[in-house]
Amino acid sequence: NAGVIQTPRHKVTGKGQEATLWCEPISGHSAVFWYRQTIVQGLEFLTYFRNQAPIDDSGMPKERFSAQMPNQSHSTLKIQSTQPQDSAVYLCASSFRDWGISQNTLYFGAGTRLSVL
Amino acid sequence: GDSVTQTEGLVTVTEGLPVMLNCTYQTAYSDVAFFWYVQYLNEAPKLLLRSSTDNKRTEHQGFHATLHKSSSSFHLQKSSVQLSDSALYYCALNNNYAQGLTFGLGTRVSVFP
Repeated sequence: NAGVIQTPRHKVTGKGQEATLWCEPISGHSAVFWYRQTIVQGLEFLTYFRNQAPIDDSGMPKERFSAQMPNQSHSTLKIQSTQPQDSAVYLCASSFRDWGISQNTLYFGAGTRLSVL
Repeated sequence: GDSVTQTEGLVTVTEGLPVMLNCTYQTAYSDVAFFWYVQYLNEAPKLLLRSSTDNKRTEHQGFHATLHKSSSSFHLQKSSVQLSDSALYYCALNNNYAQGLTFGLGTRVSVFP
């Protein structure tokens, strides 16, 4: 089991460019989450998929961020017109089954460090 | 909504001495679970321990925590830290209605010889 795989590990973009981040969840996990990690805000929830369906995107900045899960083996987070304040580590996590209190462990990927110049 | 407050910033501790990381929370729900995640440098966060039972001590890898609903706390402790315990520690909670965990800001622990 390779764990949650995120690519690329590092991405540098210029202001205004687009960035696409990839996540491959653990096989058999039905729940996929995206979080953003910064020193100031810690781990911020962005969005959640269950069985590939978008369930909650309440943490996503609405105008430039979007996430998809076209099949059970990968999810993407796309940031359009990147801004310096988007610089952060973006973490993907998956969980074995439907989210339920204390029943599931979140397995995180190592993250993609996005730097917007 | 739910919130988690942790010991802020950096905690430095000498190898062999004890450490306690504070975690307090606010939630309107009674059916809640609590977690400590640890993140070593350049690695993914991973679960350290979890609990949903009031006043029951939970242990893993030499760390322990006890959920105290009366004081809304889930502090993490270790009696004798090792150099390898240097990491970023996150406290988190989940109520059964939320999508995903609510994390605190994290506490960085640096252990010195």
